[in-house]
Amino acid sequence: DAKTTQPPSMDCAEGRAANLPCNHSTISGNEYVYWYRQIHSQGPQYIIHGLKNNETNEMASLIITEDRKSSTLILPHATLRDTAVYYCIVSLHGSSNTGKLIFGQGTTLQVKP
Amino acid sequence: DTGVSQDPRHKITKRGQNVTFRCDPISEHNRLYWYRQTLGQGPEFLTYFQNEAQLEKSRLLSDRFSAERPKGSFSTLEIQRTEQGDSAMYLCASSLDSSGRSEQFFGPGTRLTVL
Repeated sequence: DAKTTQPPSMDCAEGRAANLPCNHSTISGNEYVYWYRQIHSQGPQYIIHGLKNNETNEMASLIITEDRKSSTLILPHATLRDTAVYYCIVSLHGSSNTGKLIFGQGTTLQVKP
Repeated sequence: DTGVSQDPRHKITKRGQNVTFRCDPISEHNRLYWYRQTLGQGPEFLTYFQNEAQLEKSRLLSDRFSAERPKGSFSTLEIQRTEQGDSAMYLCASSLDSSGRSEQFFGPGTRLTVL
């Protein structure tokens, strides 16, 4: 079972920031938080990941609370092409780990004009 | 285009037939994964290869399913005696293992319909 909880759906106005929450209250100290998204009829796409510090890349920012029990993915200026299902996943690192992803239901983000 | 390709993109078959799917990962990626996704659900892990070795199989992978990665490059997933419940999108992903990171690159998937 997935170790994360996300709202099933969210709306966002085009050009505004989209803030997608994720609860991972049982996360262990060495588990990372990953975000993927899946645009309709395509394979999932990696967005960003982090351990405890906030992270930013060209696609998004990831804010992880100090207790690491929740996080927020921020798309700073959402466009219609950001409409997708967003998955929050926790995963261990280490060469002995498979790196397999356990997906939950995700959040369907609808960006509206 | 992530660099991971899958073939075919769509497959329609009759119940009881065998089907085989192919995945070509990014060339230097040593880890390869298969997932299955049914309508309205997130992808579910099926199996994992590191180079040519199949190191983990999900309980979802019944004995009708077999996967190979013979030379540590491309992989095939075969389903024997297909059932209607096998209808799904089959996704392949690859990654370059350095420290077991989970940054995976997914292919476009093969959509299987079993009539």
